[in-house]
Amino acid sequence: EVQLVESGGGLIQPGGSLRLACAASGFPFEDYAMHWIRQVRGKGLEWVTGINYNSGRRGSADSVKGRFIISRDNAQNSLFLQMNSLRSEDTALYYCAKSFDSGIYYNSPIDSWGQGTQVTVSS
Amino acid sequence: EIVLAQSPGTLSLSPGERATLSCRASQRISNNFLAWYQQKPGQAPRLLIYGVSTRAAGIPDRFSGSGSGTDFTLTITRLQPEDFAVYYCQQYDVSRTFGQGTKVEIK
Repeated sequence: EVQLVESGGGLIQPGGSLRLACAASGFPFEDYAMHWIRQVRGKGLEWVTGINYNSGRRGSADSVKGRFIISRDNAQNSLFLQMNSLRSEDTALYYCAKSFDSGIYYNSPIDSWGQGTQVTVSS
Repeated sequence: EIVLAQSPGTLSLSPGERATLSCRASQRISNNFLAWYQQKPGQAPRLLIYGVSTRAAGIPDRFSGSGSGTDFTLTITRLQPEDFAVYYCQQYDVSRTFGQGTKVEIK
């Protein structure tokens, strides 16, 4: 069974940095692209960023480009999100998610999600 | 960016009825790169349909997807109590974007 467990969320001041982590198990992590997706409480979903199986290619939403960096450690079955220059509009529940059928982060649906970690940006 | 507009915002139906949810894209989606997800309160989304019409593993056949180009539909025949939730469409053709969701509530 696929398990994705996020950690690292919390309360942070505007302009601050935070690093999220996702521990993956139950599937060959090194074969699948991974993503971070966020959801403002009571609102819709926003794809944040994705990374290929071998870290060879990444993509991100315009709203976070230049501020958020996705990375992975296949030896540790872990996914990370370095969040810099945080803004109040980054406040959301951040989900770690797995691509369905591909090692590339694009052109593949998402089939598994963690339970999320809350990030709150506020002074 | 491809914008997805879902309608209606809320659908009030009774168990056993048929639900028809719409997702309209601002530009043509290629290669059927469209999926549907279900989300219940306090839970992560669950993949229902991908490639416009292919059910994900374990999804009952009362869920079906259809459409092409810019217009897509999720149909739930014979609503069950556990089907009352929020449904999102998502395109993964150009980057990826989600619709704003349709809430299916008990009438």
